[in-house]
Amino acid sequence: EVQLVESGGGLVQPGGSLRLSCAASGFTFSSYWMHWVRQAPGKGLVWVSRINSDGSSTRYADSVKGRFTISRDNANNTLYLQMNSLRAEDTAVYYCVRGAPPDYWGQGTLVTVSS
Amino acid sequence: QSALTQPASVSGSPGQSITISCTGTSSDVGSYNLVSWYQQHPGKAPKLMIYEGSKRPSGVSNRFSGSKSGNTASLTISGLQADDEADYYCCSYAGSSTYVFGTGTKVTVL
Repeated sequence: EVQLVESGGGLVQPGGSLRLSCAASGFTFSSYWMHWVRQAPGKGLVWVSRINSDGSSTRYADSVKGRFTISRDNANNTLYLQMNSLRAEDTAVYYCVRGAPPDYWGQGTLVTVSS
Repeated sequence: QSALTQPASVSGSPGQSITISCTGTSSDVGSYNLVSWYQQHPGKAPKLMIYEGSKRPSGVSNRFSGSKSGNTASLTISGLQADDEADYYCCSYAGSSTYVFGTGTKVTVL
């Protein structure tokens, strides 16, 4: 069974940093692209970032480019999202999503940016 | 990277069919047959319902079907059931290994 479990969310002040993790199991993690998708409270889904299977290629939404970094550790089946210079508008549930097309989703971790 | 346009809400009675549209541009929906549709119940993670425009993952009811014409993709739910009441999002590959989601549609079963 495919499982994606996000962690690392919480309350952070504007300008602060946070690192999200996603532990993957039930599939060959190193064979899949992975994504981060976010959803602000009461709002829609927004694609944030993508990394290819070996970690050599990354892409970002314009809204996070230069502030967020996606990475992965295939030896430990873990996906990461390093978030710097956080803004109030980054407040959202962040989902870890497998594949192309995106198919399996984790349950998400809430990031709140507020003073 | 503008969001794909979906109607805010669509409703129907049990047993009826409804269709949700998803309008993009020639840079995303119109250029690739790579539109996916997701169902999201309140407080839950999204679930993949359709991929590559019209394909259903294993376990998804054949009451759900997808299609595309030009820059607009569509999701049709036939034989509407109470459990179909949820938010639905389209998502398209947008080139250069990026993706874009739709604005979302709330489906209400009357």
